[in-house]
Amino acid sequence: QVQLQESGPGLVKPSGTLSLTCTVSGDSSSSSSWWSWVRQSPGKGLEWIGEINHSGSANNYNPSLKSRVTISIDKSKNQFSLKLNSVTAADTAVYYCARGPNYFDSWGQGTLVTVSS
Amino acid sequence: IVLTQSPGTLSLSPGERATLSCRASQSVISSYLAWYQQKPGQAPRLLIYGASTRATGIPDRFSGSVSGTDFTLTISRLEPEDFALYYCQQYGNSPLTFGGGTKVEIK
Repeated sequence: QVQLQESGPGLVKPSGTLSLTCTVSGDSSSSSSWWSWVRQSPGKGLEWIGEINHSGSANNYNPSLKSRVTISIDKSKNQFSLKLNSVTAADTAVYYCARGPNYFDSWGQGTLVTVSS
Repeated sequence: IVLTQSPGTLSLSPGERATLSCRASQSVISSYLAWYQQKPGQAPRLLIYGASTRATGIPDRFSGSVSGTDFTLTISRLEPEDFALYYCQQYGNSPLTFGGGTKVEIK
């Protein structure tokens, strides 16, 4: 049973960088998995941010965020990470990590990130 | 692809049938559509993928269907634990997109 757990600061200053890590355990299909970040805010519902493949050789990003997003993976630690720069209040949301590809059969519990000074 | 879910809220009683709609703004390749259930304070849970295939452990009272660009999630008989938010998501085109959700509430 795969488990995912997000971690990172819950408060980020405007114009700063949001950094989150997702730790994965129990993934028996790791070579075919893609790892995504999805966020949920009251104003915009669920929004897919982007994904990375297991090897770290490929990424796909939502065009609406692509200029500000980097998703990376550290296989040695069973972790993948999200960096979102130049954040504003509009980036305040619950951020989830999830397992793909395509649809998401496992999710982390989510972590609330607030952008505020 | 924009997904429009309707109705926004569905007020029903336990034991009743729930029919949730998700309309795509354009054709979804190979019926690549999933449905999720979300309860307050929890992450979404995958119910259906491929428009009609139930995910592991999902009861057979949940079913999905498609007609053109119209997708439907049906809950045949509502159980108390089924009152929640439901989202559709398409994965036939990038970027992956979600619908705005339908809340199924107790009448």
